[in-house]
Amino acid sequence: DVVMTQSPLSLPVTLGQPASISCRSSQSLVYSDGNTYLNWFQQRPGQSPRRLIYQVSNRDSGVPDRFSGSGSGTDFTLKISRVEAEDVGVYYCMQATYWPHTFGGGTKVEIK
Amino acid sequence: EVQLVESGGGLVQPGGSLRLSCVASGFTLSSHWMNWVRQAPGKGLEWAAKINQDGNERHYVDSVKGRFTISKDNAKNILYLQMSSLRVEDTAVYYCTRGGGRHWGQGTLVTVSS
Repeated sequence: DVVMTQSPLSLPVTLGQPASISCRSSQSLVYSDGNTYLNWFQQRPGQSPRRLIYQVSNRDSGVPDRFSGSGSGTDFTLKISRVEAEDVGVYYCMQATYWPHTFGGGTKVEIK
Repeated sequence: EVQLVESGGGLVQPGGSLRLSCVASGFTLSSHWMNWVRQAPGKGLEWAAKINQDGNERHYVDSVKGRFTISKDNAKNILYLQMSSLRVEDTAVYYCTRGGGRHWGQGTLVTVSS
């Protein structure tokens, strides 16, 4: 199975400051069709996960533009340009290039 | 508006069975891959099973293979997860999701305990 490794585990951030989460896969996530199926999810406390980013850098509708995704191959990053209180929660990267689809262990974003 | 509503969770003894349902509205199951993703209490996410549009292609994570069966009734627009030979480690919130995870239900809790 493809192992997804996220860092850091915990990310205390000051309101209005940027935040960055790293995700590395154990093998390249480029699919045979040329696309890279790397998604980012947010899970607020007590809620279902919500997809923020698909295929590395495409924001889902309704997702604020302070969220951005980047990367290629095996290294990916989720950035929040200016953290707001509503961004508190756990963030997961997930690969859908291979079966089984696998998630990273999660990064908990909290306000300092 | 796309909605996914799961039901069928509850307390079951080890070795027992349970069937989860996910009623979909706002779209037709016959047009989308559908999935069950689970989350053990206080833990991360695991993509447990998926089924294609026609229902003739199914995939399972190794930990549930041979024990769980994903199916769908496209006429009723309902996704199912039949779970048997349940283990304590199957205790989790089970989410129904569409496609690549754009839409999620609220989840249903399955507790396997004696």
